[in-house]
Amino acid sequence: DQQVKQNSPSLSVQEGRISILNCDYTNSMFDYFLWYKKYPAEGPTFLISISSIKDKNEDGRFTVFLNKSAKHLSLHIVPSQPGDSAVYFCAALTQGGSEKLVFGKGTKLTVNP
Amino acid sequence: DTAVSQTPKYLVTQMGNDKSIKCEQNLGHDTMYWYKQDSKKFLKIMFSYNNKELIINETVPNRFSPKSPDKAHLNLHINSLELGDSAVYFCASSQQGGGYGYTFGSGTRLTVV
Repeated sequence: DQQVKQNSPSLSVQEGRISILNCDYTNSMFDYFLWYKKYPAEGPTFLISISSIKDKNEDGRFTVFLNKSAKHLSLHIVPSQPGDSAVYFCAALTQGGSEKLVFGKGTKLTVNP
Repeated sequence: DTAVSQTPKYLVTQMGNDKSIKCEQNLGHDTMYWYKQDSKKFLKIMFSYNNKELIINETVPNRFSPKSPDKAHLNLHINSLELGDSAVYFCASSQQGGGYGYTFGSGTRLTVV
């Protein structure tokens, strides 16, 4: 039972263009959403998050959009850089209680020079 | 200074053996976790401890036993290793309170032969 879904296993974009990574979730109890970036042979690193009371959060080149009614969020990277090439995981949690992070399967982003 | 460090990074062992993976965090976080990334690349939570107390115990075989001697350490002991235990195991820590996210270690690649 995948509560967090990333339906695109891979995405390839040109340097300088926009990268859009998508994520869907099924559990309406989730109230915090996070994106993690993972390079090979390293652990995931926190990138950006958004609370369910917001619909947008921006941090430099990274913006996360949340559409609660559609149970959908997306990560926009503008402009994309070759160093952004990594696997991006969408994750969600319910605050309070155990607060376990539930991850999607990841999307491998390749930014071509 | 490594925030979350886990050892060893690679572990190759035979079926039936018992092995341990160690994890330490120097962030002062209250909560620590073990996640497993299987061959399908899913990151799934196994256990979490808050201040040495077991909080989450997902449906993990009881051959897996976490031990937290203090809140900065969470070790994972695995008895009678099986081929299906081959995966990358990630330790993580967080400060309770939601969207701060987790800080992950770099992972331990366990290969059972």
